[in-house]
Amino acid sequence: AQSVTQLGSHVSVSEGALVLLRCNYSSSVPPYLFWYVQYPNQGLQLLLKYTTGATLVKGINGFEAEFKKSETSFHLTKPSAHMSDAAEYFCAVSSYYNQGGKLIFGQGTELSVKP
Amino acid sequence: EAGVTQSPTHLIKPRGQQATLRCSPISGHTSVYWYQQALGLGLQFLLWYDEGEERNRGNFPPRFSGRQFPNYSSELNVNALELEDSALYLCASSSPGQVYEQYFGPGTRLTVT
Repeated sequence: AQSVTQLGSHVSVSEGALVLLRCNYSSSVPPYLFWYVQYPNQGLQLLLKYTTGATLVKGINGFEAEFKKSETSFHLTKPSAHMSDAAEYFCAVSSYYNQGGKLIFGQGTELSVKP
Repeated sequence: EAGVTQSPTHLIKPRGQQATLRCSPISGHTSVYWYQQALGLGLQFLLWYDEGEERNRGNFPPRFSGRQFPNYSSELNVNALELEDSALYLCASSSPGQVYEQYFGPGTRLTVT
């Protein structure tokens, strides 16, 4: 079985500050991990993914995440927040076999950026 | 390369009626997935179609159904609409053998009145 927990439903940062969105997962098989971003009234856009290989993955818009197996975490970071980063962010888990076809999503974290 | 497209963007239907939502996957993708995003309930998996067959469905009643056409596009039908069906319905697609990596469309906002 797989599950995802996103710590903090709302995160607020100042423009230019570090963004840190937390995601912890549970998986009985090697996980594949994803971060998606959703802007208001839009669909989900894939930010970055971890499948195998390098544990530090870089995505679009300056975001990156590090897979830490020992901590079962996949936190999303960005060194300097922009106003345009304000959106909802979803962490999701799957696996190579994914026989059920579904991604398991966390509840989402809404990021606010203050000027 | 065109992304996943969905139509209509918005749909307003009275309670008890039927709604039909459509999805076209990314070219070359053979799997289509449907998710419901209702206020306060997060993203819930609805259905998975691959090569024209329903492969899996989530914990939704049978009045949620759909199909996949030979060109891999898909439609989702919701019968006997209830107020709680009001939600954003997201379609995603994936390439053959990569079920784990899904790309999403912009969604259809269904409002039941």
